[in-house]
Amino acid sequence: GAVVSQHPSWVICKSGTSVKIECRSLDFQATTMFWYRQFPKQSLMLMATSNEGSKATYEQGVEKDKFLINHASLTLSTLTVTSAHPEDSSFYICSASSIGQGPQETQYFGPGTRLLVL
Amino acid sequence: QKEVEQDPGPLSVPEGAIVSLNCTYSNSAFQYFMWYRQYSRKGPELLMYTYSSGNKEDGRFTAQVDKSSKYISLFIRDSQPSDSATYLCAMSDQAGTALIFGKGTTLSVSS
Repeated sequence: GAVVSQHPSWVICKSGTSVKIECRSLDFQATTMFWYRQFPKQSLMLMATSNEGSKATYEQGVEKDKFLINHASLTLSTLTVTSAHPEDSSFYICSASSIGQGPQETQYFGPGTRLLVL
Repeated sequence: QKEVEQDPGPLSVPEGAIVSLNCTYSNSAFQYFMWYRQYSRKGPELLMYTYSSGNKEDGRFTAQVDKSSKYISLFIRDSQPSDSATYLCAMSDQAGTALIFGKGTTLSVSS
């Protein structure tokens, strides 16, 4: 149980294009989903917190107009990187806090999406 | 001072060794402590979860939390080459909120 999937796992795109990343909780309902970004040999940095049916809360320094988050249901959240540039190249990871799947304080992570902007 | 400090390593040990991984933190409000394992180019996998102070054991893994010292540890007994990964400590002060991560310690276990 407690499986989180992400799609796609790898994206290569041209500068200026938009990329959508999906995060799904496969076997449980997630009250909250989180989006992180991880640069090589660095830790995970929280970008935003997403609750189903409400606007995402962004961390300081994260542009909400550039990183659009839609949390349409208790099992799906999407992150859209708009007008991507090479500096947006990174490993994007989502996680979900579960209802009824172990302690609610724990988060289950997706496998990540590697984005390369040329 | 960063909220969570973790020595990035790398840490290299022979197979069968006991490994000790540690994190210190500054926010005394943290109550929930986790250890995640991350293989290269993969998402983090939850290893251990501890609430407040104390010890927790699961197979070859033992997690310890000392809130008075703001110090948490993960011990791996009889380490295996498959344990080679980056280990991230994470913590939060409230249930269901975002986690604050350490930088991660890269562990290499040689056979």
